[in-house]
Amino acid sequence: DAGVIQSPRHEVTEMGQEVTLRCKPISGHNSLFWYRQTMMRGLELLIYFNNNVPIDDSGMPEDRFSAKMPNASFSTLKIQPSEPRDSAVYFCASSLGRAHYNEQFFGPGTRLTVL
Amino acid sequence: AQTVTQSQPEMSVQEAETVTLSCTYDTSESDYYLFWYKQPPSRQMILVIRQEAYKQQNATENRFSVNFQKAAKSFSLKISDSQLGDAAMYFCASRNRDDKIIFGKGTRLHILP
Repeated sequence: DAGVIQSPRHEVTEMGQEVTLRCKPISGHNSLFWYRQTMMRGLELLIYFNNNVPIDDSGMPEDRFSAKMPNASFSTLKIQPSEPRDSAVYFCASSLGRAHYNEQFFGPGTRLTVL
Repeated sequence: AQTVTQSQPEMSVQEAETVTLSCTYDTSESDYYLFWYKQPPSRQMILVIRQEAYKQQNATENRFSVNFQKAAKSFSLKISDSQLGDAAMYFCASRNRDDKIIFGKGTRLHILP
């Protein structure tokens, strides 16, 4: 299996622009997670889906962030408009189920820089 | 609410030696899992080891083992026979049943040749 695939790997944009991050989970996994990693705040869960349905979006920072999972093999995280404080590494992870014992497999991350 | 604390921002160990990374956590739940994840310079997060709270026996995975002290809410990671490839950030994490995973701030491990 190819593992979790994220694109792009790096994104540099200017403040105010729309940014879309993409994720393809491991085939057969029905839970998908979006995380943000910064030096100051560490690794934070933004939102997670189970069977394509958002279960917990309490970590989404504000209305500028939105996430969708239109089908079992694709998810997007969108930031509109982007701000310099959104600069971070964004990870997508997937797991076989939402249970707490399930291993989460992480993608390589997208490094976002907002100028 | 869950919290995870890693009090050692950085550590160093000589190659082939043993090192222990500390982690304490807090939860009011009885059903939870604990994890150690490794993040090498490639940025990829990799699960190293996991421990079920109900199990008293400490988990082991080859050179990696944990010391799980439930009463003290302590979950340390021991790496034996350290290798250069073990150099990475190590994150301790906790996840209650029906809740999200919470990560500590991480410990950067340096391996000295």
